[in-house]
Parts: sequence; structure tokens; C-alpha cells
Amino acid sequence: NAGVTQTPKFQVLKTGQSMTLQCAQDMNHNSMYWYRQDPGMGLRLIYYSASEGTTDKGEVPNGYNVSRLNKREFSLRLESAAPSQTSVYFCASSPAGIYPSGANVLTFGAGSRLTVL
Amino acid sequence: SQQGEEDPQALSIQEGENATMNCSYKTSINNLQWYRQNSGRGLVHLILIRSNEREKHSGRLRVTLDTSKKSSSLLITASRAADTASYFCALSGSARQLTFGSGTQLTVLP
Repeated sequence: NAGVTQTPKFQVLKTGQSMTLQCAQDMNHNSMYWYRQDPGMGLRLIYYSASEGTTDKGEVPNGYNVSRLNKREFSLRLESAAPSQTSVYFCASSPAGIYPSGANVLTFGAGSRLTVL
Repeated sequence: SQQGEEDPQALSIQEGENATMNCSYKTSINNLQWYRQNSGRGLVHLILIRSNEREKHSGRLRVTLDTSKKSSSLLITASRAADTASYFCALSGSARQLTFGSGTQLTVLP
């Protein structure tokens, strides 16, 4: 199984451009997440989707939108990229769902490195 | 949401030595997890310890949790060069989402 697949792996944008990061998982997980990782700041949650059809804001949602296209796919969109959005973006998934019965263990993708000039 | 704080930020040891890193937090948790991140890769789950557990083992990993001190430690015994990575604690509280600390960068020298 591929696990969590993110595309693209690398992207360079100019300020104001838009783009969408794609994420797909093949583990039949209910919940999906988008994090960003910046040097010295760990991972910060941008948006998450507890189950198909729901999305919620995380810690740093400003400047981003998400779409839970179906159970497998969760995309992150930057409508007007800013240099402050230069980061490494990670998609993750977990079995959890809206009413998790156990611990929430995440499986991560390999990351998408975005540079905004 | 609360965030764990790892200590030290960086750790360099010789192959064969033990590596210990710590995570402190401020409010109550349901469980605490440790993840590893190799350079340029995604995070990989290592081990989970629930709030009612004090110690767990997985291979060369030993995790302890002291809820009275709100701290956890990850011990890697007999370190190998392949253990070189960043290690993150992740907290799961009432909000259910995981929050990650800023990590400990471990370098194991051959």
C-alpha cells in the first residue's frame, strides 16, 4: 500500500499566485489533516477533516482553504500565496472519525516543499 | 491548544550510547505519542502511551510518562547511526487533534 501520497513534492510560486496541494490515502481512514512545518516551530495544524463531508479549522487556517473531495482525498488550496506561506506541508490521515474509539495515531505523507517568492 | 516542549533541542551522541529526550506539557492529556522524522521525510509513529500508563517498551525504545510532573521521556538504547533523526512528542487532549512540539534533533555519530 502507498499510504499517504502528496503532490507536488516541490513547488515555487510568486506572491499572489494560487495553487492546490493534493493528498490521497489508501488506508480507508476517516480523518485527514494538513499541517505545516517551519524551522524551530514543529508542526502546526492548518485544517482537518474528521470524516468525509466535514472540515474544521486548526491552529493556523488563515490564507488556506480545504476540500474533502471524498473519503480518500483532501486538498489544500492557497488562493493568493504570500511569502509567509513558504513552508513544508504535510498531509496525514488516521482511522479516528468524528467519534474516535481509540487513540488517534497519524500516518503522514512525505511532504510538499513550497516556496513563495 | 497546548504544545509539548521537547528538551534538549539537539543531542549528539556516539553509536552504542543511550539517547534520552524529554517532553513537558501543561494541561491534562488522554495520551502522548512519539514520532520520528528523518531528514526530508514525513513523520513516522513510534510509540503511544496512555495517561493511565507509566512505561511502555517497543524494541530499543522505552517511553515513560509522569502525569503528576506532566512530562514524558523517550529513551533509545544502544543508538545506531540510523537513529539520526528529529523526534517529536505529540499530545492528545480533549480537543482530540494532535499537537506537536518543536522536536529534538538527534545525531548519532559512527
